[in-house]
Amino acid sequence: DAGVTQSPTHLIKTRGQQVTLRCSPKSGHDTVSWYQQALGQGPQFIFQYYEEEERQRGNFPDRFSGHQFPNYSSELNVNALLLGDSALYLCASNPLAAPYEQYFGPGTRLTVT
Amino acid sequence: AQSVTQLGSHVSVSEGALVLLRCNYSSSVPPYLFWYVQYPNQGLQLLLKYTSAATLVKGINGFEAEFKKSETSFHLTKPSAHMSDAAEYFCAVSVRDNFNKFYFGSGTKLNVKP
Repeated sequence: DAGVTQSPTHLIKTRGQQVTLRCSPKSGHDTVSWYQQALGQGPQFIFQYYEEEERQRGNFPDRFSGHQFPNYSSELNVNALLLGDSALYLCASNPLAAPYEQYFGPGTRLTVT
Repeated sequence: AQSVTQLGSHVSVSEGALVLLRCNYSSSVPPYLFWYVQYPNQGLQLLLKYTSAATLVKGINGFEAEFKKSETSFHLTKPSAHMSDAAEYFCAVSVRDNFNKFYFGSGTKLNVKP
């Protein structure tokens, strides 16, 4: 079992650009959540997807959007990048029936210059 | 609203000494509680979780935590620290009416001295 995988590992973008991060959930998991972890802080919930729809959202602007595909993989898109978007972006997956069984991927380190 | 407070952003112990990392939570409904560990440049690994069964929870690598409702605490302990325990530890809470949204504390970096 490969667990939760994320790509790319690292990414450097310029202010104003757009970025897409990708996540493949653990086998058997149908729910995907995205978190932002700024340097020196704990992860903050961005949003969650189930059945290709956004189920709930944290306190993030509309510049952050996502998508879930029929195979349960997911993308996080961030438009009009700001310096403050620099962070580790973590993807987590769980079976809908076991919301406390949340497994995290290794993250994508995004640097905005 | 739910929140997690981790007392002490940095904790230093000697190898073989007791590890105690503190976590207090705020929740208006019965919570699920978690401890995760993060090694440098890696994601989060689940150490243990409380989901309303036994209040003393045992996890991986010799760690355990006790849920104390009266104190709204979920402190993490390990009897004897090992050099490999040096990492950052995060406490998290999710609530039973909103299970999938986790609220994390700001983390505690554990340093283990030889």
